Amino acid sequence: QVQLVQSGAEVRKPGASVKVSCKASGYRFTTYAIHWVRQAPGQSLEWMGWMNPANGNTKYSQKFSDRVTITRDTSASTAYMELSSLTSEDTAVYYCARDRYTLPPNGFDYWGQGTLVTVSS
Amino acid sequence: EIVMTQSPVTLSVSPGERATLSCRASQSVSSNLAWYQQKPGQAPRLLIYGASTRATGIPDRFSGSGSGTEFTLTISSLQSEDFAIYYCQHYNNWPPWTFGQGTKVEIK
Repeated sequence: QVQLVQSGAEVRKPGASVKVSCKASGYRFTTYAIHWVRQAPGQSLEWMGWMNPANGNTKYSQKFSDRVTITRDTSASTAYMELSSLTSEDTAVYYCARDRYTLPPNGFDYWGQGTLVTVSS
Repeated sequence: EIVMTQSPVTLSVSPGERATLSCRASQSVSSNLAWYQQKPGQAPRLLIYGASTRATGIPDRFSGSGSGTEFTLTISSLQSEDFAIYYCQHYNNWPPWTFGQGTKVEIK
């Protein structure tokens, strides 16, 4: 069965970076796009970026484009999201999600369990 | 950036009743719209894509309609497990592929 398993909770100080992993199983990793979405406490969902695992192409929300990097290791079927220059406003649960297609997107049909990133001095 | 606006913010419904949730896009997104359900402490779950196609395993009491800028999610007869927050999301053309602010469906 399709699964996306994310790395564990992280605590960082302001100004630091965090890298969250998302290991895919149960399907061919390079066939479907991966998105990253975050959710601050009590807030809605916020789309951050997209990656085609087949070639590493990425698209980012302009809000994060200077701070976020999405990469992958195809041999490990794992996607990564790194966010730099953290502030308290980056405290949120970060999700990876698989798209039904590669491009154009067509709905996110499988989600990781979420990774809580807490930014605090 | 396309802004997605959901209404109402909270919907109080009795079990067995129908629930109608609305989502409006600030510009046309054609039929490139999805609906998700999220329960506390869980990741979202895809319900509807293409504005009206149910995702795999989704009960037929969930239905989606609309195109362009106006969309509706209908739950025909609410079950206890349906009380949750529902989000719409567009995935038209270029990113960001934004979500609405959510509608909480609560027990009346």
